[in-house]
Amino acid sequence: KNEVEQSPQNLTAQEGEFITINCSYSVGISALHWLQQHPGGGIVSLFMLSSGKKKHGRLIATINIQEKHSSLHITASHPRDSAVYICAVSSNTGNQFYFGTGTSLTVIP
Amino acid sequence: DVKVTQSSRYLVKRTGEKVFLECVQDMDHENMFWYRQDPGLGLRLIYFSYDVKMKEKGDIPEGYSVSREKKERFSLILESASTNQTSMYLCASSYEGSNYGYTFGSGTRLTVV
Repeated sequence: KNEVEQSPQNLTAQEGEFITINCSYSVGISALHWLQQHPGGGIVSLFMLSSGKKKHGRLIATINIQEKHSSLHITASHPRDSAVYICAVSSNTGNQFYFGTGTSLTVIP
Repeated sequence: DVKVTQSSRYLVKRTGEKVFLECVQDMDHENMFWYRQDPGLGLRLIYFSYDVKMKEKGDIPEGYSVSREKKERFSLILESASTNQTSMYLCASSYEGSNYGYTFGSGTRLTVV
């Protein structure tokens, strides 16, 4: 069983749609991270959060610690948002990260 | 601009070859990590290091070794490359303490033929 589960695995949306990607985890965490990986491989960190909500531009990340669940929302989606979005958690018992398998998002013009 | 640099973006090697993947970071991070990423399996930890000359096995260390002679450089070694090691390899680094996010390299896509 994976410590981090993401859904959906694949998502196709029309430009302008509101998008939600979900992440559930089963371990105790010190923080949860949302990462973005564009075609070609490079990964960038979008958010690191341990409670509540964070917003950056059209991206919003929320976390519910009690339910062990986080969501990444993209408002007014654009083709340049097409990427793989990865949820990761940093364990509260050591220097270990656990990764979800990623959500592949395609935004069609 | 802080960076994690991987020496090659694409690499093609023959079965049985010894392969070196290099990773250098300029952020004075204590921790460095090597992952491989495969479709449907996500990122899996191969090896990590908390300090110079220190290494720890991750989830899938078989067929790999690592070297960290200097703080800024963490090398992944495939002693005898096999076709099932064809993958995307990602290096990452972080400050001590897992509350800090990773900084990832841009990845090396290795094909073993």
